[in-house]
Amino acid sequence: QVHLVQSGAEVKTPGASVKVSCKASGYTFSGNYMHWVRQAPGQGLEWMGWINPYTGGTNYAQKFQGRVTMTRDTSISTAYMELTRLRSADTAVYYCARVPQGAMYYVMDVWGQGTTVTVSS
Amino acid sequence: QSALTQPRSVSGSPGQSVTISCIGTSSDVGDYNYVSWYQQHPGKAPKLMIYAVSERPSGVPDRFSGSKSGNTASLTISGLQAEDEADYYCCSYAGSVVFGGGTKLTVL
Repeated sequence: QVHLVQSGAEVKTPGASVKVSCKASGYTFSGNYMHWVRQAPGQGLEWMGWINPYTGGTNYAQKFQGRVTMTRDTSISTAYMELTRLRSADTAVYYCARVPQGAMYYVMDVWGQGTTVTVSS
Repeated sequence: QSALTQPRSVSGSPGQSVTISCIGTSSDVGDYNYVSWYQQHPGKAPKLMIYAVSERPSGVPDRFSGSKSGNTASLTISGLQAEDEADYYCCSYAGSVVFGGGTKLTVL
């Protein structure tokens, strides 16, 4: 069975960085693109970018260019999302989500449970 | 790329049908059949309900259907059930991924 298990909740001060992990199981990790999507409290879904676990290639939403870095460690089937220069507006639940093999990038068939990141002084 | 436009809320009684619209542009929804829909219950991760405008993943009831006309995609839920009460998000792709603002479905 396919699972994405994310790291635990984080509390950060403004200006700090956060790195969230997403461990995949039940499928070949390098065979499927991985998205990162966030959701601020009471708000909608916001796409942050994706990573190709096979090549390490990335595509970031323009809004996060320069502040986000997506990486992976194929040896442990884990994707990472690091966001720097945090501000209160970055308080949100962060999700990783898998693209099914052979599908286009807008399809996300398996989601992690979410990681709550709180930015507060 | 601007967010897709969805109504903030829709409602219907059990057994009825409701349709949620998702308005894009000729550069995203109108130009490609790259539309997906996600259901999200409070405190839960989103769940894929429709992809490629009208395709249902295995396990999604056939009460859920998708369509598209011009720059507007639609999700129709027929035979409403209490468990369908949730937020629904459309999603499209045109070089980057964009979500709609979300629609809260209330089952009366």
